[in-house]
Amino acid sequence: GQNIDQPTEMTATEGAIVQINCTYQTSGFNGLFWYQQHAGEAPTFLSYNVLDGLEEKGRFSSFLSRSKGYSYLLLKELQMKDSASYLCAVDPRDDKIIFGKGTRLHILP
Amino acid sequence: DAEITQSPRHKITETGRQVTLACHQTWNHNNMFWYRQDLGHGLRLIHYSYGVHDTNKGEVSDGYSVSRSNTEDLPLTLESAASSQTSVYFCASSLTSGRGTTSEQYFGPGTRLTVT
Repeated sequence: GQNIDQPTEMTATEGAIVQINCTYQTSGFNGLFWYQQHAGEAPTFLSYNVLDGLEEKGRFSSFLSRSKGYSYLLLKELQMKDSASYLCAVDPRDDKIIFGKGTRLHILP
Repeated sequence: DAEITQSPRHKITETGRQVTLACHQTWNHNNMFWYRQDLGHGLRLIHYSYGVHDTNKGEVSDGYSVSRSNTEDLPLTLESAASSQTSVYFCASSLTSGRGTTSEQYFGPGTRLTVT
C-alpha cells in the first residue's frame, strides 16, 4: 500500500523558520520530491532527495531518512510569497510520483 | 522556450456529455501524466503514458481515457461526464529516468472543469 502523511495546515511568521514534516510508507522507494503550489497555480519543483541527509538550496532545505520513512522541508527567513501549499511526493521507482495531500502554509506579517 | 499547455483553462459541461481536455508539451518528454486535484485528496493520478502508443491506468481512471499518437500530446477524454468529475485537472510531463533517479515533472497550468 501507499501512505504519505503531512500536516494539513501550518502557520508561521514572516522572517521565521518553519519545518514541514512528511512520513511515508510505500511499496518501492527511490527518492522523495517536494513541490510548491500557490493557490490557483500549478505545482512547481523544489527538491528531490535520493540519499539520506540534508540538501540545501538557498532558503529551502530538504532532509531525508530512508530508514525512518521520513522527510522534512525547512524554509528559512520566511517571506509572504512563501504562503502556499507544499506537496511531499514519493518516487516509487517507475517514473510515476505519488503525492501526499499537501500542507497549506500561512505566513503572518 | 519549452512549455506545457492545457486547453481549455475553464470548462462547464452538462452531465452525460463527452469532454476532451487537451495537453501539449514542447519539452520532447517521453512521459506524460494526467492528475485531478480535489480538496482533501491532493493530486491523484488518472492516466499516464511512457511514450507514443503507450497508455496506463492510474489510481482513479474509471470514466476517463487517453490516447498518445505523438510525443507532444496526451488528450484526456471524459466519456460521459459526471458531477463527481468536477475538479481541477493537471497535465504533467517528465524525461524518462536514468538509472537510480526519477526526473521531476513539469506541470501545465490546469483546467478547471465543472459538470452540472
